[in-house]
Amino acid sequence: DAGVTQSPTHLIKTRGQHVTLRCSPISGHKSVSWYQQVLGQGPQFIFQYYEKEERGRGNFPDRFSARQFPNYSSELNVNALLLGDSALYLCASSLQGSHEQYFGPGTRLTVT
Amino acid sequence: DQQVKQNSPSLSVQEGRISILNCDYTNSMFDYFLWYKKYPAEGPTFLISISSIKDKNEDGRFTVFLNKSAKHLSLHIVPSQPGDSAVYFCAASALPGNTPLVFGKGTRLSVIA
Repeated sequence: DAGVTQSPTHLIKTRGQHVTLRCSPISGHKSVSWYQQVLGQGPQFIFQYYEKEERGRGNFPDRFSARQFPNYSSELNVNALLLGDSALYLCASSLQGSHEQYFGPGTRLTVT
Repeated sequence: DQQVKQNSPSLSVQEGRISILNCDYTNSMFDYFLWYKKYPAEGPTFLISISSIKDKNEDGRFTVFLNKSAKHLSLHIVPSQPGDSAVYFCAASALPGNTPLVFGKGTRLSVIA
């Protein structure tokens, strides 16, 4: 079975631009979460979606938004990029009611 | 305010010996704990977990111990192998399932042949 997939793998953007990151969960997983990992830190929770509805939001500004589609795939959007948004963005999927989340390989975003 | 703390940024162990990675938490609402392993350029890989109703969970070479009163957990790897060299993250979540994971900063384990 395929694991969580994310695209693109790497991305370079300029300050002020917009970016869209994509994620496909493991087949059968209806919950998708997004995390940001900066160097030297653990992943930090951004959003969680289940059945296309937002179920949780971390301490991130409104420039960050996300959505989940009927096939349970998800997009993370970041507007007005700042240098500090440079990070590894991780998507994780899980079964309903499960604590265990399974991560994709991540998208490395560099903002210059 | 770090709710999950891994106070050792790095650990070096000889091949074949035991690796012990430690994790402390402050939030008493956490009731489920997980360990993830991360290689460079890859996402975290789920390793092992433990519910707060247990004090030990074992899976092959990996054992996680939980001390609720001390708000402390540890991951034991026996015997350690060079392929275990990676960054290990401790994570915690609260009831019910599907709640966000709160991660520590990670411990880099190096297993020396």
